[in-house]
Amino acid sequence: DTEVTQTPKHLVMGMTNKKSLKCEQHMGHRAMYWYKQKAKKPPELMFVYSYEKLSINESVPSRFSPECPNSSLLNLHLHALQPEDSALYLCASSEALQFANTGELFFGEGSRLTVL
Amino acid sequence: GQQLNQSPQSMFIQEGEDVSMNCTSSSIFNTWLWYKQDPGEGPVLLIALYKAGELTSNGRLTAQFGITRKDSFLNISASIPSDVGIYFCAGRLQAGNNRKLIWGLGTSLAVNP
Repeated sequence: DTEVTQTPKHLVMGMTNKKSLKCEQHMGHRAMYWYKQKAKKPPELMFVYSYEKLSINESVPSRFSPECPNSSLLNLHLHALQPEDSALYLCASSEALQFANTGELFFGEGSRLTVL
Repeated sequence: GQQLNQSPQSMFIQEGEDVSMNCTSSSIFNTWLWYKQDPGEGPVLLIALYKAGELTSNGRLTAQFGITRKDSFLNISASIPSDVGIYFCAGRLQAGNNRKLIWGLGTSLAVNP
């Protein structure tokens, strides 16, 4: 069982809706990530939080808004999405951001998002 | 962005056969990771490699960090149906922005029972 928990597992939303994806980890990891994955493609990095501060934003459109309320929680707020934003959204965590032996990512099961 | 060359793109094998896949790059890496992803699930870390020449096993899986630091391979011995999935390599560059993982495009494995 994964130690990174994502909810909801599936989400269908219209282009005018506001919704949120949630992620939780209790491994004491200090770095948390959002990835977007299209079918049969590798994950694409969206955001990285390190010690609850946004460390990396990969030029993601503002209709995606991340939030890190505390070291265990990571949210992704969604607003005015487009059908092409439909994808599997993966949350991951790692012990720390930069050091080789502590940088392995542990992924959640993902939230499958469909935008109508 | 930069990507790793992962091959083969897909494999269809008989149960019991051995499997080999690899990732190559023109750049030098200081970390290689191998992940497996089942349909509808997140990637699961199989093996992590940190030193050139390092050979690491995890059950029927064996992976090596290439001596040139530009490649890595993953072998699966005596494949079984549950080995089906997409295998991704990912690496961290020796120089530059080494906070991000660089991903291969994946190897899709199908096993015929």
